[in-house]
Amino acid sequence: EPEVTQTPSHQVTQMGQEVILRCVPISNHLYFYWYRQILGQKVEFLVSFYNNEISEKSEIFDDQFSVERPDGSNFTLKIRSTKLEDSAMYFCASSERTGFIGYTFGSGTRLTVV
Amino acid sequence: AQSVTQPDIHITVSEGASLELRCNYSYGATPYLFWYVQSPGQGLQLLLKYFSGDTLVQGIKGFEAEFKRSQSSFNLRKPSVHWSDAAEYFCAVGARSGGSYIPTFGRGTSLIVHP
Repeated sequence: EPEVTQTPSHQVTQMGQEVILRCVPISNHLYFYWYRQILGQKVEFLVSFYNNEISEKSEIFDDQFSVERPDGSNFTLKIRSTKLEDSAMYFCASSERTGFIGYTFGSGTRLTVV
Repeated sequence: AQSVTQPDIHITVSEGASLELRCNYSYGATPYLFWYVQSPGQGLQLLLKYFSGDTLVQGIKGFEAEFKRSQSSFNLRKPSVHWSDAAEYFCAVGARSGGSYIPTFGRGTSLIVHP
């Protein structure tokens, strides 16, 4: 079964550093998403991406966040200057078409900011 | 705005016992409802979904859920739990926002299975 692959599975970074979380969506999917889950809290929507641009974003997705599809296979989330409160599990997801119906989630990257 | 409440943070059951995980939602119209499971080190896997029609929905791994509009609930059930069912379970409601559906997740319920 096709999978969404995320790397690394765990990343530790110092406060103020930039991090890039990487995702390889399913090859024929066109819509890409990032979510995060702070420990003990809800899974929260960050951003959706289609046709090389952001289609939706939440209040959480402020100027320190950016997304990019640098080539035909990768989808990245960059956090420019990490804060302690950015520590969370970050999930990538992709779908063939818009909507929640056909999401496939990756296994997540646990980001720890120290 | 929609919201989802999973009132139980942890549920402990014995292997072979029945299971019910609770989910309540708040949304003005008929929602799209989902249950996801997250096993350790794994992604979120879709167990089942409800869009319309029959309010009792069958999913994978022997799970089912029943949509009860009058109670705004979408509880997940399994008649006999296996040790491999130990995982985190998330209820989610999807509502249309502009051109896409933005899902809202509950906080999750952690299922512990005793042998």
